[in-house]
Amino acid sequence: KAGVTQTPRYLIKTRGQQVTLSCSPISGHRSVSWYQQTPGQGLQFLFEYFSETQRNKGNFPGRFSGRQFSNSRSEMNVSTLELGDSALYLCASSRFGAGGGTEAFFGQGTRLTVV
Amino acid sequence: AQTVTQSQPEMSVQEAETVTLSCTYDTSESDYYLFWYKQPPSRQMILVIRQEAYKQQNATENRFSVNFQKAAKSFSLKISDSQLGDAAMYFCAYRPANSGGSNYKLTFGKGTLLTVNP
Repeated sequence: KAGVTQTPRYLIKTRGQQVTLSCSPISGHRSVSWYQQTPGQGLQFLFEYFSETQRNKGNFPGRFSGRQFSNSRSEMNVSTLELGDSALYLCASSRFGAGGGTEAFFGQGTRLTVV
Repeated sequence: AQTVTQSQPEMSVQEAETVTLSCTYDTSESDYYLFWYKQPPSRQMILVIRQEAYKQQNATENRFSVNFQKAAKSFSLKISDSQLGDAAMYFCAYRPANSGGSNYKLTFGKGTLLTVNP
């Protein structure tokens, strides 16, 4: 069974540009969550999608957005990139995303560098 | 808001020895889940062990076990017979069990970098 796949693995962008990251969850998983990981702030929750609906959003500016498609694949977009957006972006999928103890399975992440 | 604290930024252990990583959390919820994740240099977060708050019995997975103290809001991870492959960053994470918006996210601690010495 394939795991969570994130593409691309590495990205270098210029300040002011926008970027789109992709996440394909494990087959059968309908919940996809996104996290930003930086040395200073650690792991921070961005948002979670279930059946194409955003159910929860973290404390990030509106430049960060996402969506989920009918096949559960998800994309996140960051517009008007800032140097501080440089981070490892992790995607996680789980079967339901709700209470029930279903654990989240993570992809290998996308390393975004803003120059 | 829930918070997770890992007070040990770095730990080291000799191969074949035992090490315990600490984690405390703060929540007003009565039902929740706690996790330990491992992140090796490859960056992929791997679930090590899970504990349901309503279960009094401590979870175990092979060489990994937890000491869950609900009243003290403490959730430590014990790694027995440490192996070189255990070297990684370890994150403690919390997730409420009740349905609702806040349920759909994990709150992580800052992590503990574990070094295993041969």
